[in-house]
Amino acid sequence: EAGVAQSPRYKIIEKRQSVAFWCNPISGHATLYWYQQILGQGPKLLIQFQNNGVVDDSQLPKDRFSAERLKGVDSTLKIQPAKLEDSAVYLCASSFRRTSSYEQYFGPGTRLTVT
Amino acid sequence: DAKTTQPTSMDCAEGRAANLPCNHSTISGNEYVYWYRQIHSQGPQYIIHGLKNNETNEMASLIITEDRKSSTLILPHATLRDTAVYYCIVRFENSGYALNFGKGTSLLVTP
Repeated sequence: EAGVAQSPRYKIIEKRQSVAFWCNPISGHATLYWYQQILGQGPKLLIQFQNNGVVDDSQLPKDRFSAERLKGVDSTLKIQPAKLEDSAVYLCASSFRRTSSYEQYFGPGTRLTVT
Repeated sequence: DAKTTQPTSMDCAEGRAANLPCNHSTISGNEYVYWYRQIHSQGPQYIIHGLKNNETNEMASLIITEDRKSSTLILPHATLRDTAVYYCIVRFENSGYALNFGKGTSLLVTP
């Protein structure tokens, strides 16, 4: 079974520029998560989708971050405009359903550097 | 989710058992203890979970104290590939919410 795919793997941008990340979850997984992991810390949830609806976006900085999951499959996470403190690894994960959320499968992540 | 406390870092010699502790003194009766690990440049990976009985799978063993206020993840024969950050998370089994990671324990397995 194919794992969670993410692209790009690395991205370097200047502050105030915009950037987008893409995630393709495991086939059949209804729940999709985006996490932000700052160096030296554990991953922190940004947004959780159930199919194409948002379950939790309480920690998403909505003034600059947006995410969508059209058709309940692929998802994109966008930052506009980027700040220096957005430098982090952005991890996408999926699980079969919400009640099996402990068994999340993570992608390799996108390492973002904002200069 | 109940709060957990883990040491920042630990060392272990290759081939020896690695015992990673976790304190969760405010755990409630229906909350489970979950362990994950994150190898460098990869996403976190589920290892094992349990409620009150000891659990074992092909990756590790989980020992939970009788009062459930602490637990230990045991890697019986650590290899260099076990070098990773290990996260202990306490949550309800069918919680529909995302994982709440702390800083975890950075385990270094040395030759």
